[in-house]
Amino acid sequence: DSGVTQTPKHLITATGQRVTLRCSPRSGDLSVYWYQQSLDQGLQFLIQYYNGEERAKGNILERFSAQQFPDLHSELNLSSLELGDSALYFCASSVPSGYADTQYFGPGTRLTVL
Amino acid sequence: LAKTTQPISMDSYEGQEVNITCSHNNIATNDYITWYQQFPSQGPRFIIQGYKTKVTNEVASLFIPADRKSSTLSLPRVSLSDTAVYYCLVGGGNTPLVFGKGTRLSVIA
Repeated sequence: DSGVTQTPKHLITATGQRVTLRCSPRSGDLSVYWYQQSLDQGLQFLIQYYNGEERAKGNILERFSAQQFPDLHSELNLSSLELGDSALYFCASSVPSGYADTQYFGPGTRLTVL
Repeated sequence: LAKTTQPISMDSYEGQEVNITCSHNNIATNDYITWYQQFPSQGPRFIIQGYKTKVTNEVASLFIPADRKSSTLSLPRVSLSDTAVYYCLVGGGNTPLVFGKGTRLSVIA
């Protein structure tokens, strides 16, 4: 158990809908990262937040957005869903250590868009 | 971010030592080398991290030559439960991880 929790574990929805994925980082971790893993694309970085502020952006679609709240939990919002958005979505958290910090991944949310 | 190259797949018998080598020719001075393990439908799990020479923990060893252009993850006496995808990543502090395709290790009884 990494200490990172994600809800829900599974999500099935229809095209055009909007969903929210939730992530609670490990206690004390200030950084939250979101990654998408699909069969054909592998693990792709989406976005990073550090202590409530957006820190880095990766291959995140405009239909997707995220935020980190004062209690440091984060939510990833996916809207106007398409079939291709079906994937595993992972959240990771870390404590910045001044050098390469270790990211701890949650169990993921499996999103199926029908 | 430095790009990494590692074998797509490897097979090994139980009880053998497995060495997975990763090339990272463009590694920067501040970059660390980190290895993650991923089982199907689970999040990647940190295995080991190093900057130079050799690092050892309870599950693996990491060998990094002086030029740091490659690294080798060594798994001693693998078991069936070590069957997974192993990712080599290089990067600095508090930055997103760039995952490649990884190495799919299959351990055979």
